[in-house]
Amino acid sequence: AQKVTQAQTEISVVEKEDVTLDCVYETRDTTYYLFWYKQPPSGELVFLIRRNSFDEQNEISGRYSWNFQKSTSSFNFTITASQVVDSAVYFCALSERGGATNKLIFGTGTLLAVQP
Amino acid sequence: KAGVTQTPRYLIKTRGQQVTLSCSPISGHRSVSWYQQTPGQGLQFLFEYFSETQRNKGNFPGRFSGRQFSNSRSEMNVSTLELGDSALYLCASSYGVGGELFFGEGSRLTVL
Repeated sequence: AQKVTQAQTEISVVEKEDVTLDCVYETRDTTYYLFWYKQPPSGELVFLIRRNSFDEQNEISGRYSWNFQKSTSSFNFTITASQVVDSAVYFCALSERGGATNKLIFGTGTLLAVQP
Repeated sequence: KAGVTQTPRYLIKTRGQQVTLSCSPISGHRSVSWYQQTPGQGLQFLFEYFSETQRNKGNFPGRFSGRQFSNSRSEMNVSTLELGDSALYLCASSYGVGGELFFGEGSRLTVL
């Protein structure tokens, strides 16, 4: 069965520290997509990245980077030099059926608190 | 570009009542999905619509229903409300399927 596990419930760091959010997924599909979303207190989910199962290249966007490893079924997210504005709940999600659906399986989320 | 608009933002109902939530997608988006978010169950998929057709449905009882109109706007309805239906209901739109979903700020339903 498809499943996304975010073992870290809460993480607290001090500003400028680097932090890595872990995501482990389970799926029987060979073609799938992985996502990261950010949920600030306002409630809406903000898209951060989408990665397909055939692209294991790591990606960097500013202070954000993602490490996708199919061998360990992990898609981890690192924030470098964290800032207070990064405080939010972060969700990892999985989409199966070769991406032919907008049904996402979400992890339980990781609450990141960045202290000044 | 206007984002996804959900109405109402907050509402309080009592057990047994019904509720209708509305979602206006981003202009040009043809796909609308609905999710329920609760502290206990997290984010769970409810429905997915594309060009007025329901393409996918989550594991929710028949009390939960939805539809999409020709202008891509969508509504979801929950009948015979139960306390456990208290949740943040999030709507997301996209141009097609499999890509980035744009979420609204949600409708927070409290059932007393």
